Amino acid sequence: NIVLTQSPASLAVILGQKATISCTASESVNKFGINLMHWYQQKPGQLPKILIYNEFSRAPGIPARFSGDEAELNFTLTIEPVEADDVATYYCQQGLTFPYTFGAGTKLELK
Amino acid sequence: EVQLVESGGGLVQPGRSLKLSCLASGFTFSNYGMNWIRQAPGKGLEWVASISSSSSYIYYADTVKGRFTISRDNAKNTLYLQMTSLRSEDTALYYCARQENNNYGVMDAWGQGASVTVSS
Repeated sequence: NIVLTQSPASLAVILGQKATISCTASESVNKFGINLMHWYQQKPGQLPKILIYNEFSRAPGIPARFSGDEAELNFTLTIEPVEADDVATYYCQQGLTFPYTFGAGTKLELK
Repeated sequence: EVQLVESGGGLVQPGRSLKLSCLASGFTFSNYGMNWIRQAPGKGLEWVASISSSSSYIYYADTVKGRFTISRDNAKNTLYLQMTSLRSEDTALYYCARQENNNYGVMDAWGQGASVTVSS
């Protein structure tokens, strides 16, 4: 199974600053030249919502403040500038093979 | 508007069975693969099972293989999860989620979840 190691577990950021969340895959999640790494946002008490798919593509309606990147199996979700509405837990997920696996989650709070 | 509404959750004793349903609306259900994902209280997301649009392909997490069965009735726009031999560690909020058609593994619509508590 592909293991996704997500860090940090929690993150406190000042309003307007940058938040960076990392997700390292135990093996390649690449298919046909596309990294099948996706990011979800789950606000407190709400259901998860797709943010970024295929490493860097924003889902419909997601603002440009959210971006995804990758370097050597290390995937990054960046939020800049952070807004109050971004307080949530963020999960990475690989869509290459079954079983689909998620990272453990990163809880973003405001400092 | 895409809607997924789970039902069938509840309190059940260890070793017993429970069947969850997920009623889909607002899209052509028979064109989409579907998933069950669960979230234990205060914990992260865990993928449970997937089924293709025509039920030709079915996959399970190792933690539920042999105990849970995913199925669907496209005529009724409904996804199911039959859970047997339930354990305390199966206690969770169970979400059904639509598989996005053009991107592998993307779950682009989620229900509100059905709560399952396994306890004596």
